[in-house]
Amino acid sequence: NAGVTQTPKFRVLKTGQSMTLLCAQDMNHEYMYWYRQDPGMGLRLIHYSVGEGTTAKGEVPDGYNVSRLKKQNFLLGLESAAPSQTSVYFCASSYSGLDSNQPQHFGDGTRLSIL
Amino acid sequence: AQSVTQLGSHVSVSEGALVLLRCNYSSSVPPYLFWYVQYPNQGLQLLLKYTSAATLVKGINGFEAEFKKSETSFHLTKPSAHMSDAAEYFCAVSAGDFGNEKLTFGTGTRLTIIP
Repeated sequence: NAGVTQTPKFRVLKTGQSMTLLCAQDMNHEYMYWYRQDPGMGLRLIHYSVGEGTTAKGEVPDGYNVSRLKKQNFLLGLESAAPSQTSVYFCASSYSGLDSNQPQHFGDGTRLSIL
Repeated sequence: AQSVTQLGSHVSVSEGALVLLRCNYSSSVPPYLFWYVQYPNQGLQLLLKYTSAATLVKGINGFEAEFKKSETSFHLTKPSAHMSDAAEYFCAVSAGDFGNEKLTFGTGTRLTIIP
């Protein structure tokens, strides 16, 4: 069982370039999330989705867009990359429910450098 | 609003010694609390979670945490450290309404084990 798979694992971009990060989960989870991890700042939520066709802003959404066209996939787009977006990006997924105790399952991350 | 504070960005303990990683939370509603572990170049893995059942929660790899409402704390402990415990540990709180379940992470504590 693959769990949460992120592609690519590494990428170097030039300022102003665009790219899309792909997250795929095979656990039939309703909820999916994109985080960025920066030294000394923990994980910060960029965008999330509570179901197919829905997206919502998290804590640091500026400069990013997302789409959830299929339940198993959650795409994160950078339209015009900036050096401040150099980070490690993590995707996560979880079951929906009437309570908030479902743990999130994480991918192994995408290391993105913007020159 | 919810928040998490992890005291100590770096903790070093000798192999065989007690591990204590501190986490304090702030939440306007009864929280769900989680500890995640991150090994180098990997995503986060769930260590344990508190969901309002028992206040002492046992997790994987011999770790446990105790929920103390009066102290708004959820400290992580392990009686005897092992070299394999070296990793970064994140405390997280979830207190969203249905349809808005989001985790707020602490900034992390890097645990070093001294041989």
